[in-house]
Amino acid sequence: DIQMTQSPSSLSASVGDRVTITCQASQDIGSYVNWFQQKPGKAPKLLIYDADTMATGIPSRFSGSGSGTDFTFTISSLQPEDIATYFCQQYDILPLTFGGGSKVEIK
Amino acid sequence: QVQLKEAGPGLVKPSETLSLTCDVSGFSISSYYWAWIRQPPGKGLEWIGSIYHDGTTYYNPSLKSRVTISVDTSNNQFSLHLTSVTAADSAFYYCARHKLYGEIDHWGQGTLVTVSS
Repeated sequence: DIQMTQSPSSLSASVGDRVTITCQASQDIGSYVNWFQQKPGKAPKLLIYDADTMATGIPSRFSGSGSGTDFTFTISSLQPEDIATYFCQQYDILPLTFGGGSKVEIK
Repeated sequence: QVQLKEAGPGLVKPSETLSLTCDVSGFSISSYYWAWIRQPPGKGLEWIGSIYHDGTTYYNPSLKSRVTISVDTSNNQFSLHLTSVTAADSAFYYCARHKLYGEIDHWGQGTLVTVSS
């Protein structure tokens, strides 16, 4: 199975800060990465697919980049409603696998 | 709009079979892949398996010996059966729509299943 190592596992930032989360795959997976946001008690929500393509209706402050084994998810200006846990997921090779999650809190 | 909703018992006894159904509305199940994904409370996500409308299935090898996913196109729903459950199978279970090698773009609200006697 492809391991997705996500970091940090948690972070605290101020409103307006730039937030960056990384995900490293255990082997080359091209650009086959999704990023999800999960708020407490809710299902995950797709934000980014194909490593850098925004899903429909997603605010432009969210972005993704990377290819191969190293991927980055960025919130350009943290908003209070962005408090959530963020997950990466690869779909290059089955089984589909997810990163461990990054919990984002407001400082 | 596309909506998915999981249904089934919230409590299952150890060694018994966990059975859930996902009702899909606003979109025909006869395209895309349909997945089951689970998440123990406070933990990460695990893909269980996926099915296509023609019955083609893909399972996570870690669960393959205990999992069956089936589809009912006439009722626009698909189902999960997980046998010989233990406490380690306690989790939120989500159904979702996805491209097999692509985005998972619609999720159900999730249902908590607890394995306990």
